Amino acid sequence: RKEVEQDPGPFNVPEGATVAFNCTYSNSASQSFFWYRQDCRKEPKLLMSVYSSGNEDGRFTAQLNRASQYISLLIRDSKLSDSATYLCAVIFYSGGYQKVTFGTGTKLQVIP
Amino acid sequence: GAGVSQSPRYKVAKRGQDVALRCDPISGHVSLFWYQQALGQGPEFLTYFQNEAQLDKSGLPSDRFFAERPEGSVSTLKIQRTQQEDSAVYLCASSLVGGKGVPNQPQHFGDGTRLSIL
Repeated sequence: RKEVEQDPGPFNVPEGATVAFNCTYSNSASQSFFWYRQDCRKEPKLLMSVYSSGNEDGRFTAQLNRASQYISLLIRDSKLSDSATYLCAVIFYSGGYQKVTFGTGTKLQVIP
Repeated sequence: GAGVSQSPRYKVAKRGQDVALRCDPISGHVSLFWYQQALGQGPEFLTYFQNEAQLDKSGLPSDRFFAERPEGSVSTLKIQRTQQEDSAVYLCASSLVGGKGVPNQPQHFGDGTRLSIL
């Protein structure tokens, strides 16, 4: 089993729809979680951190479920500009420094 | 500069040649990471520096790959005797200190170097 797993998609959704992605992780000692957005042929850009209590940033909501070891990203009122690949990043502390593992990404295509 | 800077943006080399990729992290960022990203995949960890110390090189695929950060700022990833399977995007990321007792900080990525081996 991979340390961090994501459904690669693609998720094809109409404008205005609500869409959600999950990201599962295998290391129960994982401490920090982030969502990144990556456009085609571009570098990953930080979208948002994921806090234990859940957090929201405009149309985006991130949640953490430690018991089931997954994080989620919910996008409301999808825009065409939301089309991208969404990567999750999972961090745990080991040997004095952070170890970071990325998922393979979930591709989202918002269609008119 | 304001962000992580990588050079060159594109590199084409013949199989067997050596290449060197440069990363200039965000000023003040202690941690520096190198990743390899193949098409349709997420970034795969290669190596990690905390200041000038290379604390983890477990992701380097072979002894042809070598990374250094001699003064704790700019880093170079060198690939010797390149092979076609080395073709990928090489991403560099930096972050503030992330260690025990310190809240982990997100990583900020450079534009990457797209390496093509012919």
